[in-house]
Amino acid sequence: QQQVKQSPQSLIVQKGGISIINCAYENTAFDYFPWYQQFPGKGPALLIAIRPDVSEKKEGRFTISFNKSAKQFSLHIMDSQPGDSATYFCAASLRMDSSYKLIFGSGTRLLVRP
Amino acid sequence: DTGVSQDPRHKITKRGQNVTFRCDPISEHNRLYWYRQTLGQGPEFLTYFQNEAQLEKSRLLSDRFSAERPKGSFSTLEIQRTEQGDSAMYLCASSLGLAGVNEQYFGPGTRLTVT
Repeated sequence: QQQVKQSPQSLIVQKGGISIINCAYENTAFDYFPWYQQFPGKGPALLIAIRPDVSEKKEGRFTISFNKSAKQFSLHIMDSQPGDSATYFCAASLRMDSSYKLIFGSGTRLLVRP
Repeated sequence: DTGVSQDPRHKITKRGQNVTFRCDPISEHNRLYWYRQTLGQGPEFLTYFQNEAQLEKSRLLSDRFSAERPKGSFSTLEIQRTEQGDSAMYLCASSLGLAGVNEQYFGPGTRLTVT
């Protein structure tokens, strides 16, 4: 119940295309959903995050869509660029967990072809 | 703001040796987290500090692991009697610690290889 399931495992997109990565969860007590970007040999970098009281959040080319009833959320990367090639992780934390520790998905390796 | 820093970046050790990693969080961040990441997986929570108090430990953290955060500033993670299964990236993250503020910022990690 504390898992976050992420798909696809890998994704290849042409430059200028839209990259879409999906995550699903079971525990309705999750109340914070961030996305992280990780380049090889680096730590994860916070990209964008959303709470369940909104259905969409946009920051530049990155958009999170949130479907509370389906218990799903997704990351959309518009106008994908080769520099976006990285591994992306969704995550979630529990409302009642005072530590705010993050539970991560298994990651999506994105390759954007020039 | 210099970000979260970790030292060393890489560590190769023989099985059975002890290793210690250091994390310096973003200044004024009073929450500090340790995560472990194995190849092809997402980070997994190990332990968490609020200021100098270690408030939560994952069951992943065996008795061979110990973490400290003296004076609520930097933190150290020590692994005693290392095993090959300890090979992983050890990530540190910090956050402001205000109620309802979840944003965690990660350091570059320490890559541990146990031979």
